[in-house]
Amino acid sequence: DTGVSQDPRHKITKRGQNVTFRCDPISEHNRLYWYRQTLGQGPEFLTYFQNEAQLEKSRLLSDRFSAERPKGSFSTLEIQRTEQGDSAMYLCASSSVGDTQYFGPGTRLTVL
Amino acid sequence: EDQVTQSPEALRLQEGESSSLNCSYTVSGLRGLFWYRQDPGKGPEFLFTLYSAGEEKEKERLKATLTKKESFLHITAPKPEDSATYLCAVSGSARQLTFGSGTQLTVLP
Repeated sequence: DTGVSQDPRHKITKRGQNVTFRCDPISEHNRLYWYRQTLGQGPEFLTYFQNEAQLEKSRLLSDRFSAERPKGSFSTLEIQRTEQGDSAMYLCASSSVGDTQYFGPGTRLTVL
Repeated sequence: EDQVTQSPEALRLQEGESSSLNCSYTVSGLRGLFWYRQDPGKGPEFLFTLYSAGEEKEKERLKATLTKKESFLHITAPKPEDSATYLCAVSGSARQLTFGSGTQLTVLP
């Protein structure tokens, strides 16, 4: 069990560019979650997959955000036409049959 | 809508000075209440899951308790390495977690 991994750990981009983040959950965890965290706040839910099915999306998730989990294993989160307000830590978590979610190290996005 | 409020926002303790962090919550159909520790620039690290009022869990210097409206994280004889932000979260009818803003704990040597 190597834990949840995320790539890249840091991303700096210019406003208007597209970015994609990857999350590899703990093996055999069928649920995968994306959260966003800004300085001084707790993580905010973005979206949730059970296996390959995207079951819930937050109202915070604008049309510029899209997430996939094509084979029920790793997941990608894409942000199109980035804005300065998208600067945040993007966290991925996974869980199995219980409700306890285990988090990865996060991807720090800076939009210039 | 699920809500979590943590207090205090920040807490400074001397090494060995015990204290408690508070987490007040409202949730429809509690599935679980979770405590995490987060170090700067890192992802949250799981500490405890509590499922029902009256439940208690311990790990080293930490003890978490749960009532129908609140949870407490008691820290006994803290050490400088316990300095971190402690996050409380709930899972209700939806599986996603709703977090509080955290308590930033500093333990001075």
